[in-house]
This record gives sequence, C-alpha cells and structure tokens, in this order.
Amino acid sequence: DSGVTQTPKHLITATGQRVTLRCSPRSGDLSVYWYQQSLDQGLQFLIQYYNGEERAKGNILERFSAQQFPDLHSELNLSSLELGDSALYFCASSDARTENTGELFFGEGSRLTVL
Amino acid sequence: AQSVAQPEDQVNVAEGNPLTVKCTYSVSGNPYLFWYVQYPNRGLQFLLKYITGDNLVKGSYGFEAEFNKSQTSFHLKKPSALVSDSALYFCAVRDMDSNYQLIWGAGTKLIIKP
Repeated sequence: DSGVTQTPKHLITATGQRVTLRCSPRSGDLSVYWYQQSLDQGLQFLIQYYNGEERAKGNILERFSAQQFPDLHSELNLSSLELGDSALYFCASSDARTENTGELFFGEGSRLTVL
Repeated sequence: AQSVAQPEDQVNVAEGNPLTVKCTYSVSGNPYLFWYVQYPNRGLQFLLKYITGDNLVKGSYGFEAEFNKSQTSFHLKKPSALVSDSALYFCAVRDMDSNYQLIWGAGTKLIIKP
C-alpha cells in the first residue's frame, strides 16, 4: 500500500459529461502529480501541484483542470468528455526528499470509461 | 530533447532463468534514471533508481539495474525470474529541462512462464 488514495476506482459516464477524480496523497507529502495511462499513449504526465500551487504542466487538455486544497488533497476535473478520454488516471505524491530524487508514490488509479 | 526508450514491447522468460528488460536514454547532463513496476490493476511502484555512484544499482524484489554511460543504457535485470515478476515495467528519466518531471518509456510487458 503506497499510502496514496484515489476515488472512485471505476467510473462510467457518457460523452459530454463532467467528472471529478479525487486524490489523497501520503501523509506529509506536499506534491501531487496526475497522470493519464491509455493503451495507445502510454503514461502521460498531466499536471503537478506543490502545497496548493501549480508547479508544472504537461500534456493536459484545456477541458481538464486540477487543484490542490489546503488539506493537500487534489481533484482532477474532466469536462466535455470524449470517447478518447477513457483511460486510467493515476495520482502520485512525493515529499521533499523523494521529490528531489524523482521517486513517486502512486495510487491505484481511477478507471474512467466514456460511452 | 530528453527521452527514454524501451525497445521491447514484451519479454518472455522461463521461470528460474535470468531476465533483462532494456532501457536506453538520451539526456543532457547527468541522468537520473528510474525503474517502476505495475502489477495488473495496480498503480506503479518504485523499484530502483540511479543518481550517481556505483553503476550497479540494487532495488526491490531482487531486481538490479546496470547504468552504462557509454551505451546510454539502464537495463533492468534479475538473476532468476519468478512467475510473480510478471508485470509491466517502466523506465523513466528525470527531465532537467522541464521542471524535473519524469519522462517515461512506453513500458515493457514481462511474462514469466512456469
């Protein structure tokens, strides 16, 4: 168990809808990362937050947004969903020590299916 | 641009045999290299990393990796494979040009046959 909790584990929705994925990092970790894993594109970095502030942005679509709250949990909002957004969305966290070396702790993911 | 490549989509090994999962990288400067494993329906787990020092790095579950600067490789190895090692393995390199994010390989599916 990595200590990173993601909810929901599975989500099925329709095109055009909006969903919110939630992540609770390991206790004490200030950094939260969001990744998308799909069959055709592999593991794609979306965005990183550090102590409530956006730190780095990757291949995140404009339809997607994220935030990190004062209690350090994070939410990834996906809107105007398309079939191609079906994927496994991972959250990862790190602390100051492991962030410096790049070691991340991953949750078990939220599997999104868009029909 | 910095990149990492895993040339094999899948590696098949008989249980008890040694295994190697290949990774090559392209970075400017000294690389920070990582291996992660993803078991079915699970998140990624950190296996090992190379930052500096000894070229042979030991990690979790009996895995090790050899850093080879001249060949720009960081291959994952294990002397004797177990069926339970069957999983998806990802190599990653830290991108010094992009806020130190990890650049990930496409992953290699390792299948260990009894």
